[in-house]
Amino acid sequence: GIQVEQSPPDLILQEGANSTLRCNFSDSVNNLQWFHQNPWGQLINLFYIPSGTKQNGRLSATTVATERYSLLYISSSQTTDSGVYFCAVDNTGFQKLVFGTGTRLLVSP
Amino acid sequence: KAGVTQTPRYLIKTRGQQVTLSCSPISGHRSVSWYQQTPGQGLQFLFEYFSETQRNKGNFPGRFSGRQFSNSRSEMNVSTLELGDSALYLCASSSYIGGGVLTFGAGSRLTVL
Repeated sequence: GIQVEQSPPDLILQEGANSTLRCNFSDSVNNLQWFHQNPWGQLINLFYIPSGTKQNGRLSATTVATERYSLLYISSSQTTDSGVYFCAVDNTGFQKLVFGTGTRLLVSP
Repeated sequence: KAGVTQTPRYLIKTRGQQVTLSCSPISGHRSVSWYQQTPGQGLQFLFEYFSETQRNKGNFPGRFSGRQFSNSRSEMNVSTLELGDSALYLCASSSYIGGGVLTFGAGSRLTVL
């Protein structure tokens, strides 16, 4: 099956710093999503981005499907950005998402 | 618009018992999928339903089952519980048959003693 690798596994930032999270996948996909899991376990959808670039406030994402990777950019980080960021992909067309192991982000004041 | 609602939020069971978890998708969403999250295995796909039909199933034993009702609400059942079934069970819904944004509920945290 398709493999998903995320890096870095852990990231510690000072408030206000910028960061880039990476997601590599082993096969072509028709669905790629980024999620943020807060400390209470809730998974929040950040982007649905099988290809191209999207921006939402301080967050943006780029997927280069031909090279099988996606990047999530967080600018001017805030303490509320802390949590685990997951990349998930699907190539079955049945919403059978395969999740990466996540990047754990801690933003300190 | 109400989000994805999962009940119960927390539950404790003992080995050998069975459990049923419920998920109400966003109004109008017909695709419901279930995931299990554990510290060791991460987030893993359980199954996905669309219009009361199971379209795909993950690599889990037959003790894990589910169904979807005509109003798109879904339930999953785990029989003969094992300690390793302790996990956060997440339900998600989508409005598209083959993709689109997946919206997750807050999850049901199951502890098996």
